[in-house]
This record gives sequence, C-alpha cells and structure tokens, in this order.
Amino acid sequence: EIVLTQSPGTLSLSPGERATLSCRASQSVTRNYLAWYQQKPGQAPRLLIYGASSRATGIPDRFSGSGSGTDFTLSISRLEPEDSAVYYCQQYDSSPPYTFGQGTKLEIK
Amino acid sequence: EVQLLESGGGLVQPGGSLRLSCAASGFTLSNYAMSWFRQAPGKGLEWVSAVNSNGARTYNADSVNGRFTISRDNSKKTLYLQMNSLRAEDTAVYFCARVYSGPDVGADCFVYWGQGTLVIVSS
Repeated sequence: EIVLTQSPGTLSLSPGERATLSCRASQSVTRNYLAWYQQKPGQAPRLLIYGASSRATGIPDRFSGSGSGTDFTLSISRLEPEDSAVYYCQQYDSSPPYTFGQGTKLEIK
Repeated sequence: EVQLLESGGGLVQPGGSLRLSCAASGFTLSNYAMSWFRQAPGKGLEWVSAVNSNGARTYNADSVNGRFTISRDNSKKTLYLQMNSLRAEDTAVYFCARVYSGPDVGADCFVYWGQGTLVIVSS
C-alpha cells in the first residue's frame, strides 16, 4: 500500500500570495496517477487535479499540479479567501486500495 | 447534471447493521465503476469499498473486509453499501463517488461525489 505524506499540516497565507503544498509517496507512483482534492467544511471533496498535472473541468488556472515518482506539488497562485479549505492528495496508481494523504489545511487571512 | 444522493445513515448500536444507498442521475451508471469513502469526525478521507461497472468485481478496505458489502443495481441507478457488525470506529460521513472515466476499479480518480450521509455507531 502506498502511504502519502502531506506537508505542511497547516498553511496560513494572505490573499494574493502563492501556496505550495507537498505530497510525498512511500513508493513511486509509477504512472503519475496522483490526484488533488479540495474539501471545504460540510462539503464533499472536489477534484482539482488528476494525472499529477491535469486540471479537472472548471478548475481555474490558478491551480496547478506538478511532480513525478514520489514527490508531487499543488500550487495555488493569487490566493483568494474562497481557497480556504483542506487539500488532499490521493494515489490511484496502485489501487485498490486508494490512499489519501492526511491533508493540508490552507488558511487565507 | 450529474448527481449522487446518499441516504440510509443514522444512529445504530454497536454490532448492528445499516444499508446505505446512493441514487445516481445525470449519467449512465452502468458505464462506471463506483466507490464508497468515509470521513470520521475531524479526520481525513478513507476509501471503503469499490465495485466495477457491472457489479461482478468488488473490493474492500482491510478495515471493513468481511463486514461491509458493496453492490449495485444499474436498472435502479443505485449503489449500495451493506454494513454489518458495526463498530464505534465506523462512525463517519459516508460518501459515494464516481470514477472519472471508465468501468473498471483502479487506475482512475473520482470526479463526482455525493454530499454524504452520517453514520453514528453508539449505544
């Protein structure tokens, strides 16, 4: 089972700044089958990025994904207050089981 | 518009059973693999069970294997999760979700999610 570790646990930034979220896998995600989700309180997860770097339909280009192998990054530019959420990475390369990182909480102040 | 609507959650005693349903609309359910996920209060996301498009292949997380059964009725456009021998640690919001693109389990992420149904296991 691939274990995903996200960092930092919490990130506090100001509107207009850039956020960089990390996801590290315990073994290589060989086909870059790595997704990022955004979840706001009381809501379902929302797919942002799939295949490590492809934006899902309707996702603003402020969101971008990069990385390969064991190290992946979600970048969010020009932060807006509505970007406050918990962000999860998920691997679907060696699945099932589908595994998630523990999440990064992004606070926009 | 794709919609997934879960139902069937509630309060159940330890050792009890519950069946969750997920009604699908806006797409052809029989074309896609589906999964159940859960999220314990204040915790992260956990995959629970998956089923391929025709229901022939099912998969469970180790934490629920032997207790939970995923199934589907494509004619009724509904996904199910039968949960038996429930434990306090099964308390969570349960989400159903559809894969991005195909009929098979694995190698696919989840593009559509329901809003979830809360299961509380407590005496």
